[in-house]
Amino acid sequence: DIQMTQPSSLSASVGDRVTITCRASQTIRNYLHWYQQKPGKAPNLLIYSASSLRSGVPSRFSGSGSGTDFTLSISSLQPEDFATYYCQQTYSTPLTFGGGTKVEIK
Amino acid sequence: EEELLESGGDLVQPGGSLRLSCAASGFIFSNFAMNWVRQTPGKGLEWVAGISGSAGRTNYADSVRGRFTISRDNSKDTLYLQMDSLRVEDTAVYYCANSWGPNTYFDIWGRGTLVTVSS
Repeated sequence: DIQMTQPSSLSASVGDRVTITCRASQTIRNYLHWYQQKPGKAPNLLIYSASSLRSGVPSRFSGSGSGTDFTLSISSLQPEDFATYYCQQTYSTPLTFGGGTKVEIK
Repeated sequence: EEELLESGGDLVQPGGSLRLSCAASGFIFSNFAMNWVRQTPGKGLEWVAGISGSAGRTNYADSVRGRFTISRDNSKDTLYLQMDSLRVEDTAVYYCANSWGPNTYFDIWGRGTLVTVSS
């Protein structure tokens, strides 16, 4: 199985640039996607195929990387961005998610 | 509007069975692969099972293979998850989600249904 590793949490302030990392245990090419989840809600797709912004998602979100190392960036953190972010690989089954990174208010 | 709505979650005893349903609307159901994902309270996400648009191919996580069965009825725009031999560790919120294929992102998610396995 491919293991996906993310930091469990980070603290930031409104207006900060935030970067969340995700590392795969083996190459997954660009089969990497990012989701945002708020308490009591389902996950919501932000970025697909490592760097493609889903329609309707604010342009302050961006993704990069290929192979085993990936990042999700938020250029200027907004109050509504405090949430948990998950990466997911769909390169091979079993499909796996990272453990999630909770973005908290500093 | 594209929507998925899960139902069927309940409290069940260990060793029991349950069938979850996921009703789709707002998109051509048969064009999409479908998946079940679960989330233990306070924990992360775990993919459980997936099925192709035609139902010709299914995949399962090792933790549920042989106990859970994913299926779909394209005439009813509905996805199912038959869960047998339930264990305490199967307790979770179960989400259904669609995807363009077996190796693509999960686009639309339902709101989830809670399954509690306890004596």
